[in-house]
Amino acid sequence: DQQVKQNSPSLSVQEGRISILNCDYTNSMFDYFLWYKKYPAEGPTFLISISSIKDKNEDGRFTVFLNKSAKHLSLHIVPSQPGDSAVYFCAASFAGGYQKVTFGTGTKLQVIP
Amino acid sequence: DAMVIQNPRYQVTQFGKPVTLSCSQTLNHNVMYWYQQKSSQAPKLLFHYYDKDFNNEADTPDNFQSRRPNTSFCFLDIRSPGLGDAAMYLCATSRDLVGLSNQPQHFGDGTRLSIL
Repeated sequence: DQQVKQNSPSLSVQEGRISILNCDYTNSMFDYFLWYKKYPAEGPTFLISISSIKDKNEDGRFTVFLNKSAKHLSLHIVPSQPGDSAVYFCAASFAGGYQKVTFGTGTKLQVIP
Repeated sequence: DAMVIQNPRYQVTQFGKPVTLSCSQTLNHNVMYWYQQKSSQAPKLLFHYYDKDFNNEADTPDNFQSRRPNTSFCFLDIRSPGLGDAAMYLCATSRDLVGLSNQPQHFGDGTRLSIL
């Protein structure tokens, strides 16, 4: 049962344009969401997060939007750069005590110069 | 720089031959995790340590064991590797338990395990 879904395995975007990566989740109890970026032969690195009490969080070129009613979040990268080419994982967790992080299967972003 | 280091980066072992993967951290984090990731799949949590307390996921095979002799080190032991255990194994740390602190996890670069 995949509770966090990234339905697009890959995405290609021209340099300078906006990249939009999408993530859907099924469990309404999730209350903390994260995006990780992974380059080949490296481990995932934390990119940006959002709490369920917010609907937007911004950090430089990266913005995460959360739509709780639709159980959907998205990562916007503006402007996209070739160095952004990587696999992006969406992840979610619950509050209270230990609750494991549930990851999506990832979306491979290619930014074309 | 504080970091999570996994050794070796690539490990080849024979079917049924025990293998140990290593993870060390300089972050002084309380929690250490082991994930298994197969191609095009989400990372799958195997177990975690909160300090010395070991927590196994319900669906983690008995073939997989872990040791944490001190704060800095954590090992993944696969007692009798099968062909299905070929995967990337990721170690991660966090300062506190997920859900208590909303802190992200810090990952090592992984060990790619091949089974002959």
